Amino acid sequence: AQSVTQLDSQVPVFEEAPVELRCNYSSSVSVYLFWYVQYPNQGLQLLLKYLSGSTLVKGINGFEAEFNKSQTSFHLRKPSVHISDTAEYFCAVGRIQGAQKLVFGQGTRLTINP
Amino acid sequence: DGGITQSPKYLFRKEGQNVTLSCEQNLNHDAMYWYRQDPGQGLRLIYYSQIVNDFQKGDIAEGYSVSREKKESFPLTVTSAQKNPTAFYLCASSMSGGSPGGDTQYFGPGTRLTVL
Repeated sequence: AQSVTQLDSQVPVFEEAPVELRCNYSSSVSVYLFWYVQYPNQGLQLLLKYLSGSTLVKGINGFEAEFNKSQTSFHLRKPSVHISDTAEYFCAVGRIQGAQKLVFGQGTRLTINP
Repeated sequence: DGGITQSPKYLFRKEGQNVTLSCEQNLNHDAMYWYRQDPGQGLRLIYYSQIVNDFQKGDIAEGYSVSREKKESFPLTVTSAQKNPTAFYLCASSMSGGSPGGDTQYFGPGTRLTVL
């Protein structure tokens, strides 16, 4: 079975500051890793995903994430945030083999203050 | 425009009533999924379907039922057996449901169900 832990339920930062949202996972099999963003009362939108290859993955809206297999982490970063980045962010894992059931973390609410 | 539609956006139900949430996709995806979202708990998988006329239980299927008679449609029924149905329900689809994995799941806008 897989599990995902997002280490911070809420992260407040000032506009134009850097941010890191932390995600750790546990799995007995090889997995793919995803970050999704959810704006208020909307569905989820894919930010980026790691399937294989380079451990640094670049996504939309200036976000990037680094896969660290030894630490089983997939932290999300952005060097300079904007008010429009205020949203909830979800880390998820999916098995490489078998049905594509994603397991999600609890979410991190990112609040950008002016 | 291609995408996933869910209706209605808001739904109110009296205790003891069954209610059906609609999910339609025009992405020609084989796989479809239903998730439940509660504050502070992330998303939990209710049911998923990898192909027409086939579906499997997810982690929290009790009190829910689904059907997959058409590729583009995957309705979810919340039955009176569901003990705490008030939640935000999200439907998703992906190109395929089996290996190789890594297919992106695309999400609909969600339905907020409130039991009165």
